[in-house]
Amino acid sequence: QKEVEQNSGPLSVPEGAIASLNCTYSDRGSQSFFWYRQYSGKSPELIMFIYSNGDKEDGRFTAQLNKASQYVSLLIRDSQPSDSATYLCAAGPGGGADGLTFGKGTHLIIQP
Amino acid sequence: GAVVSQHPSRVICKSGTSVKIECRSLDFQATTMFWYRQFPKKSLMLMATSNEGSKATYEQGVEKDKFLINHASLTLSTLTVTSAHPEDSSFYICSASGQGNNSPLHFGNGTRLTVT
Repeated sequence: QKEVEQNSGPLSVPEGAIASLNCTYSDRGSQSFFWYRQYSGKSPELIMFIYSNGDKEDGRFTAQLNKASQYVSLLIRDSQPSDSATYLCAAGPGGGADGLTFGKGTHLIIQP
Repeated sequence: GAVVSQHPSRVICKSGTSVKIECRSLDFQATTMFWYRQFPKKSLMLMATSNEGSKATYEQGVEKDKFLINHASLTLSTLTVTSAHPEDSSFYICSASGQGNNSPLHFGNGTRLTVT
């Protein structure tokens, strides 16, 4: 069974610091990886996606993928209280939305 | 990015009644939409894949006669929870990807269903 594992947290990070969120996946055939942010009571919103090994940067966010280790991470620089949310990691077999498997999410708290 | 609209955002109904949830892709055509369910502090669980013009594909353990899905057009999919029971109370979220094979998934705002 395909699994995506995340530490549920909560992960507490002081404001202005770097928040590091980690995710591992079991299906070695996974090709696409996504990070979603979900505020309490709201639906997930896409933060970043990554398909290739290495780093991908978008503003304060950097996604890192290591397919050999089956590991994907999300770094949030200059953390803000508004970044406090649950972050969901998802992995899929192709480049799009089919067959995505979601992790349970990591609850991130940015302390002012 | 792709915009997915879901309605209603919140609904309360009595046991035994049916509830319809609409999901629309606003700025793109979605041949495929996905319906998820999320219980409190739990991960998203895919319920079914909605295909325009054909029958939906349901995940194992999801009753197709209870959760009726209709995808009549390229911009609209509906989920009807029939004969709702309190255990159906959950957060239902639809999603769709934009055009192109590598388009990521975007979610609607979700529908909080409470069955009394």
